[in-house]
Amino acid sequence: GAVVSQHPSWVICKSGTSVKIECRSLDFQATTMFWYRQFPKQSLMLMATSNEGSKATYEQGVEKDKFLINHASLTLSTLTVTSAHPEDSSFYICSATWTGGRRQPQHFGDGTRLSIL
Amino acid sequence: DQQVKQNSPSLSVQEGRISILNCDYTNSMFDYFLWYKKYPAEGPTFLISISSIKDKNEDGRFTVFLNKSAKHLSLHIVPSQPGDSAVYFCAASAGEYGNKLVFGAGTILRVKS
Repeated sequence: GAVVSQHPSWVICKSGTSVKIECRSLDFQATTMFWYRQFPKQSLMLMATSNEGSKATYEQGVEKDKFLINHASLTLSTLTVTSAHPEDSSFYICSATWTGGRRQPQHFGDGTRLSIL
Repeated sequence: DQQVKQNSPSLSVQEGRISILNCDYTNSMFDYFLWYKKYPAEGPTFLISISSIKDKNEDGRFTVFLNKSAKHLSLHIVPSQPGDSAVYFCAASAGEYGNKLVFGAGTILRVKS
């Protein structure tokens, strides 16, 4: 149980293109989804938190207009990297969890490798 | 300011022996701790968690110990298997902060057969 699917797994595109990454919870309803970025040999850095039906909360230093997050349903959140540039190349990972009586772990997708040429 | 620290970048253990991975934290608001395992180019896989009201939680070969006074937790893997070779991340969260996870830098575990 608690499977999170992320798509696509790998994207290569030209500078200036916008790229959309999807994150789906397959067997549970995700009240909250998180988006992370990981640089080579570094830890995961939280970019934003999104709750279903409301605006995402971005971490300090993350550009809201650059990284658009939509959490329109309890099973789907999307991250759109707008006008991507080479410095946006990275490994992006989403996670999902649900609120309940007990604290729940976040369950992660397999990530998206984004390469901007 | 690194709130969650994994001071050992790597650990090498013989198959069948115990692997002990350590994690320290500084924020006393943290009340929920997790361990994740990660392979290259994949997302982290949840292993085990512990609430601050406990000092030990066990799941099969994995046991997590929490020492709140020392702000220290550890993950024990017994017996270690070659398939356990991966990067292990310690993470912490506080209900006050909306359950956001703060990750350590990770420890590479190599289990030699």
